[in-house]
Amino acid sequence: AQTVTQSQPEMSVQEAETVTLSCTYDTSESDYYLFWYKQPPSRQMILVIRQEAYKQQNATENRFSVNFQKAAKSFSLKISDSQLGDAAMYFCAFSLTGANSKLTFGKGITLSVRP
Amino acid sequence: ETGVTQTPRHLVMGMTNKKSLKCEQHLGHNAMYWYKQSAKKPLELMFVYSLEERVENNSVPSRFSPECPNSSHLFLHLHTLQPEDSALYLCASSRSLAGGREQYFGPGTRLTVT
Repeated sequence: AQTVTQSQPEMSVQEAETVTLSCTYDTSESDYYLFWYKQPPSRQMILVIRQEAYKQQNATENRFSVNFQKAAKSFSLKISDSQLGDAAMYFCAFSLTGANSKLTFGKGITLSVRP
Repeated sequence: ETGVTQTPRHLVMGMTNKKSLKCEQHLGHNAMYWYKQSAKKPLELMFVYSLEERVENNSVPSRFSPECPNSSHLFLHLHTLQPEDSALYLCASSRSLAGGREQYFGPGTRLTVT
């Protein structure tokens, strides 16, 4: 079975600064997907970024980038130039490849942004 | 309406009540999911439907009964719930069950069992 661990329950960042959210996972598979989802207060959860395990290049989406360390089973999210709208819960998630693959989520981390 | 909608947004029910949660997706997706979100716990996948057929039931108690009449609608029927069932219930959809597919979430129903 796959597990996803987010050990930091809360983090805070100053507006315009950079913050890194940590995630580790455990799997015996070699091919899989990793995700970061964002859940703003009282708003819908949305996908921030996705990484395919067979790709060595780290995924980036504007101010969001990941540091994917496959051997260490680590998948951290870096948010650059933090904005007030980045304040949310962030969930790291894992899925296998294949035709019937569910998402396994971590507990999430609450990010606050200080003006 | 766009995306994934859920009704009601808030629900308070007694332990002997029967109620239903509704989810509708306007994205033309083939797969739909129910999740339970409790504080300080990972999202728990409850049920998965693909083309209206249930493909996963994660050992969910029988007091939760899902229904998927078509690929756009998903219901969660609730009866004789327990206080520990109080949580945010999220519905999601994806284009298919294939690994790596983005899931689109609804806003959730905040359920309180008294």
